[in-house]
Parts: sequence; C-alpha cells; structure tokens
Amino acid sequence: TQLLEQSPQFLSIQEGENLTVYCNSSSVFSSLQWYRQEPGEGPVLLVTVVTGGEVKKLKRLTFQFGDARKDSSLHITAAQPGDTGLYLCAGGSSASKIIFGSGTRLSIRP
Amino acid sequence: KAGVTQTPRYLIKTRGQQVTLSCSPISGHRSVSWYQQTPGQGLQFLFEYFSETQRNKGNFPGRFSGRQFSNSRSEMNVSTLELGDSALYLCASSLGLAGLIEYNEQFFGPGTRLTVL
Repeated sequence: TQLLEQSPQFLSIQEGENLTVYCNSSSVFSSLQWYRQEPGEGPVLLVTVVTGGEVKKLKRLTFQFGDARKDSSLHITAAQPGDTGLYLCAGGSSASKIIFGSGTRLSIRP
Repeated sequence: KAGVTQTPRYLIKTRGQQVTLSCSPISGHRSVSWYQQTPGQGLQFLFEYFSETQRNKGNFPGRFSGRQFSNSRSEMNVSTLELGDSALYLCASSLGLAGLIEYNEQFFGPGTRLTVL
C-alpha cells in the first residue's frame, strides 16, 4: 500500500519567517502534487512535479521532488497570513488513483 | 467558467438513515471523484466515475455507492449511516482520469459537511 506521510502535522510561525513542509513515502510515485485548502473550501492545486530532482517556484513557494521520486518538500519564504491553511501532498499511484498525504496545518501569526 | 458545485453544503442525519449527495462538475469534465475528509483519517479516496462508469474504488464498505449521469453530474449515496460517517465529503472533477495527475488537474468543490447524530 502506498502511503504519503507529511511533517510536521501542525506548524505555527510568525509572519516573515521561513518554513519547510515535507512529504515522504517508502514508495516511488510517478508524480506528486501540492494542494492548499482553506476553511470551508476544497483543496486547490498549487503545483505538479513529474521529474525526479525537479524544482518549481511559485512566487514565495518552492517545491522540490526528490531524486528517487519518493519524497517532496514545500518551502515558503517570508510567510504571510494569507499562507495559512492545510497543505496536502498527493501522489499518482500505480493503480491510477490519487493518494493524499496526511496534511500539514499551517498558521501564520501577524 | 463555473466551478464544481456540491449540494447540499450541510446535512444533519441520524444513525441508520441514508443520504444522497450531489456534485456538478465543471462543464466538459468527464471524470468525477469523491473523497471523504476527516480530522483523523485525512483525505481518503472513495471512488471515481468517468463517462458514467466507475473506474476506481477506494477501501470503503458497500454502504457507500455512487453513480454518474450522462451529463457527468454525479451522486453519492451512503446507506445505514453510522456516527463515523460524519465528515466533509468532497467532489472533484477533471477532464481525464484523475490518477493521471501529470496530465489532468483536479478541481474540487467546497464539499458537503455531513453530521450523523
């Protein structure tokens, strides 16, 4: 069974600080995605990474896919209150299903 | 372009009852996937429908069922409700099969919050 573990589960930091969220698995994934979910809404796709070692940047967010395609990280520079939300990683599995990670709940204090 | 819509947004039921949730995908999208989200288990895949056929199924009991209509709208049914079925039920649509994530972006609806008393 393919599983995705995210760490940390909860993170509360001050506005302006940097942070990194991790998504790890013992299985290889063909590609990985990162979503952000805000209260009362469904998840919204932030990025899809498909190549081992790939790095993608979205303004202050940097996403990296591990060389072995088993892990990914999300780094936020100079966090802002608008970054608050639940961050989910998701992987495309061999059974053509999407597997979601356990989630990281991020809170940015003004 | 209208997003994914789900109805109702909130629902309160009692144990033993059944419930039907509805999802209208983005126009042109042929795939509809359903997910259950709870604080303890996170986001778990229920099933995916594509062109009116169930293409994938998660590890949920037979009390959870779904269907898709010719206009791609989908319904999900839960029979004999249990307290543990209380959750946010999310629907997502995509052009092609959702599992091919490098080719298909999933768009989620706001969810239906189901409370079972």
